[in-house]
Amino acid sequence: DVKVTQSSRYLVKRTGEKVFLECVQDMDHENMFWYRQDPGLGLRLIYFSYDVKMKEKGDIPEGYSVSREKKERFSLILESASTNQTSMYLCASSSAEGAYEQYFGPGTRLTVT
Amino acid sequence: GESVGLHLPTLSVQEGDNSIINCAYSNSASDYFIWYKQESGKGPQFIIDIRSNMDKRQGQRVTVLLNKTVKHLSLQIAATQPGDSAVYFCAENNGDYKLSFGAGTTVTVRA
Repeated sequence: DVKVTQSSRYLVKRTGEKVFLECVQDMDHENMFWYRQDPGLGLRLIYFSYDVKMKEKGDIPEGYSVSREKKERFSLILESASTNQTSMYLCASSSAEGAYEQYFGPGTRLTVT
Repeated sequence: GESVGLHLPTLSVQEGDNSIINCAYSNSASDYFIWYKQESGKGPQFIIDIRSNMDKRQGQRVTVLLNKTVKHLSLQIAATQPGDSAVYFCAENNGDYKLSFGAGTTVTVRA
């Protein structure tokens, strides 16, 4: 089974802090994604990566950056956390062959106070 | 912008009945559609997919129907069980590798 793990299930940070969310997948997938999930809005794509050191902006990249130094790991960075970044963050991965079938981690519930 | 939507945010169904969850999409260029199920406290999980060259696909207790004429997608769950209680998302492909997700329908199964 594909396993996507995220470093924290719950996280509380203060406004202005730098926040790192880590995601690791164990299936040697080429593609990795970061989404945020908010009630009534579904999943919105923040950033994705289709290869090591490659990154592409999604629909809502403002206030976020990413890092992919190794194939299995994709990090989401909030340079200066704000209260409007309080959300559920979901990481996903997919293979190059089955690119649209994404496998998700359990999510990180981030609260910025 | 958001191009995938679900008709109803919530659905309550009696255990043993069939469930139908609807989804409308607006991008006629989309050629691949997926349904995901998200249980409480978990990430979304793949249920079933369908390509635009098909209008129906069946899985285990689930059927996805695609009507390209009216840009409508539905997920039918047969003999709904308590374990089917979850949020269901439809998604369509959106460029290379990417998916666009709808807002989700919360299904509650009544005993």
